[in-house]
Amino acid sequence: DAKTTQPPSMDCAEGRAANLPCNHSTISGNEYVYWYRQIHSQGPQYIIHGLKNNETNEMASLIITEDRKSSTLILPHATLRDTAVYYCIVRGVYNFNKFYFGSGTKLNVKP
Amino acid sequence: EPEVTQTPSHQVTQMGQEVILRCVPISNHLYFYWYRQILGQKVEFLVSFYNNEISEKSEIFDDQFSVERPDGSNFTLKIRSTKLEDSAMYFCASGGTGSRSTEAFFGQGTRLTVV
Repeated sequence: DAKTTQPPSMDCAEGRAANLPCNHSTISGNEYVYWYRQIHSQGPQYIIHGLKNNETNEMASLIITEDRKSSTLILPHATLRDTAVYYCIVRGVYNFNKFYFGSGTKLNVKP
Repeated sequence: EPEVTQTPSHQVTQMGQEVILRCVPISNHLYFYWYRQILGQKVEFLVSFYNNEISEKSEIFDDQFSVERPDGSNFTLKIRSTKLEDSAMYFCASGGTGSRSTEAFFGQGTRLTVV
């Protein structure tokens, strides 16, 4: 699975959009981009995933660049409860084995 | 909404003792996983399990560890002789209902403390 690069931390004001970037320049055509988050020491929580089209669900939007080398997770109206470590993970479409959790981005939502 | 449940939430054990951590995956999922997270460190993959056998394991998953799906619903992680360095949060996850990769859902974890 391709490696990902994320900034170690970001700040966001409560109520504003949080845009979390991820670089995955070595991604191959049959690899998905997944986003998870971990709030404090709770279990990682699935947020969203996509292959090449932009995706939106009740939690977030995922924007994948046309060349698929980077993506952005958007939390449209961040709340204090969105403070967490956010992980961008690339995994093959037919790979059911591990999700590799790197260091992620610590998002601090401030009042 | 279906969820992965883990028991116990916290287990304290003496060094050298055996522990069994239990998980009930989401019912129609086919793939099962164990991860661990030592305090302040990354979430680390231990093992994945499919069709009643291990499909992948990490270097951490040595002979002291084993997994089992004894009754078609529970998924267990056994540590035969615990060491102090096994103290961590252990997360179970399940995912995959068909032929294409899908998201995995994690339980809330078991905090294992070895004393």
